[in-house]
Amino acid sequence: NAGVTQTPKFQVLKTGQSMTLQCAQDMNHEYMSWYRQDPGMGLRLIHYSVGAGITDQGEVPNGYNVSRSTTEDFPLRLLSAAPSQTSVYFCASRTRDRGSAEQYFGPGTRLTVT
Amino acid sequence: RKEVEQDPGPFNVPEGATVAFNCTYSNSASQSFFWYRQDCRKEPKLLMSVYSSGNEDGRFTAQLNRASQYISLLIRDSKLSDSATYLCVVKNNYGQNFVFGPGTRLSVLP
Repeated sequence: NAGVTQTPKFQVLKTGQSMTLQCAQDMNHEYMSWYRQDPGMGLRLIHYSVGAGITDQGEVPNGYNVSRSTTEDFPLRLLSAAPSQTSVYFCASRTRDRGSAEQYFGPGTRLTVT
Repeated sequence: RKEVEQDPGPFNVPEGATVAFNCTYSNSASQSFFWYRQDCRKEPKLLMSVYSSGNEDGRFTAQLNRASQYISLLIRDSKLSDSATYLCVVKNNYGQNFVFGPGTRLSVLP
């Protein structure tokens, strides 16, 4: 199993450009999430999904869109990139089990917006 | 106030030392507690869950004090390979989401 994969690993955008960060998992997990990680801030939840066709906002959703058309894929779209979106982005997945301890993270995408 | 707070660090300790990390959380409805480890420029990975009675996994001991809303992680006999950032994580079983603390960086020195 590949686990959680993310592409690209690195990206530089100019202000105002749009792009999609890809995330896929092959563990048949129901739950998937997108986080951003900034120095001193910890991981902050952007959007999450509890199953195909269902998405919801997290703590910092502004400027980002998501969709979940399949169980495996959960892309994150930046609509009009801003320097404040410079960050490391992690996708994660886990099972539906409420007692589940473990989220599985992808390797991350390092995004710089100039 | 952040929902999960941790010692700011960094902690620089010699090999073989014992080091303790502290974490506090503000949401009294939090039901599940974890420590994750994150190596430099890598993704976070689960280190251990934290149970009410306290639990041990080799050199690692986790404690939970619900009354004080406090979690700790003790690492005994530190190894060079323990160098990483340690993330305190809480989850409300009625919600879907994990809340991460900012992390405490540990450097174990030879």
